[in-house]
Amino acid sequence: AQSVTQLDSHVSVSEGTPVLLRCNYSSSYSPSLFWYVQHPNKGLQLLLKYTSAATLVKGINGFEAEFKKSETSFHLTKPSAHMSDAAEYFCVVSDPGRDDKIIFGKGTRLHILP
Amino acid sequence: DTEVTQTPKHLVMGMTNKKSLKCEQHMGHRAMYWYKQKAKKPPELMFVYSYEKLSINESVPSRFSPECPNSSLLNLHLHALQPEDSALYLCASSQEGFANTGELFFGEGSRLTVL
Repeated sequence: AQSVTQLDSHVSVSEGTPVLLRCNYSSSYSPSLFWYVQHPNKGLQLLLKYTSAATLVKGINGFEAEFKKSETSFHLTKPSAHMSDAAEYFCVVSDPGRDDKIIFGKGTRLHILP
Repeated sequence: DTEVTQTPKHLVMGMTNKKSLKCEQHMGHRAMYWYKQKAKKPPELMFVYSYEKLSINESVPSRFSPECPNSSLLNLHLHALQPEDSALYLCASSQEGFANTGELFFGEGSRLTVL
């Protein structure tokens, strides 16, 4: 069965500095991995996805993530934070072609300091 | 702009009321989902419809009743709810019939308050 762990419940960075949101996963097979963002009182929006192609995945709004199988990690990064990045971020894992469900991490709240 | 539309955005209801949440998508997606999200928590799966048939019910109480009239519409009928059912209800869709794709398209949610 798969699982996903977001290592930080809150992350605070200053505007213009790099962002790192950490995600580790557990999967018996080759998983698909996703990052979603949720702004306050809004639905979730897909930032990026990994589906066994390139290990470095580029997403919207300058975000990217690297799939590292040896470390079972899929950390989300951005070179320079913007105030509009303040939101909740969810790491998600699924095993395509199997009956396992889509598993959400518990979320990381990103705070941007002016 | 989201391509999954949910109505109403806000709903306040008493414990004896009957109401419905509605969701619509016109992307030709074959699976539609209801999630419940409490504050500061990830979404919790409630129901999945795949090719208009209920494929997953996550042991949701019968006071929640889903309906999929056609491939573009998904309803959630609410009756005799409890205050603890107050939450953000999110509708989502995915291109393929449900397997376990994580690529979901979410609506903005319906904020439900049960008094």
